[in-house]
Amino acid sequence: DTGVSQDPRHKITKRGQNVTFRCDPISEHNRLYWYRQTLGQGPEFLTYFQNEAQLEKSRLLSDRFSAERPKGSFSTLEIQRTEQGDSAMYLCASSDYTGSAFFGQGTRLTVV
Amino acid sequence: AQSVTQLGSHVSVSEGALVLLRCNYSSSVPPYLFWYVQYPNQGLQLLLKYTTGATLVKGINGFEAEFKKSETSFHLTKPSAHMSDAAEYFCAVSPDSGGSNYKLTFGKGTLLTVNP
Repeated sequence: DTGVSQDPRHKITKRGQNVTFRCDPISEHNRLYWYRQTLGQGPEFLTYFQNEAQLEKSRLLSDRFSAERPKGSFSTLEIQRTEQGDSAMYLCASSDYTGSAFFGQGTRLTVV
Repeated sequence: AQSVTQLGSHVSVSEGALVLLRCNYSSSVPPYLFWYVQYPNQGLQLLLKYTTGATLVKGINGFEAEFKKSETSFHLTKPSAHMSDAAEYFCAVSPDSGGSNYKLTFGKGTLLTVNP
């Protein structure tokens, strides 16, 4: 297993467009997390899945954001009607019961 | 609720010198504590973690950290800096909630510069 994989690595989109990011976690990990990181800041928690169930969502996750994890495997994060303030690095992480989260390389979103 | 404060947004050391990156946390329950490193345009790599047991934790690349409950601190150290250690370092905390959720709360990060 090569770790957590995210696609795409970079995305440039026009304001108002929808974007979707994909995360493939480490295969034996049942927990999956999405974080957002802006310049000069630490990652901020967005949402958490245990298997296919979305168990927690941050208040940062407005109604324009939706995340899914069908069948408890890969996950997608969709942002509708993107705004310039959505420009950030979106990080996916997965963990097993030990709690050590392993991060992907991230998807850098630029909204122009 | 948890929070993390990293003292010093930028630390500069000479190659071969001691590295000390400071982290203080606040947690209403026993914490799990982590240090991550991030290279430019990359994701985060786990350096080390404290859960329970021994308070001095050794990690990868020669780093170690000591959990001090009385000081609510988890400072990261390395005896001798290498040029390859130049990166941004993040301290993070999660609640020891019996395994139900390991959501991490991160500090703002400390950028480490290593001078030749």
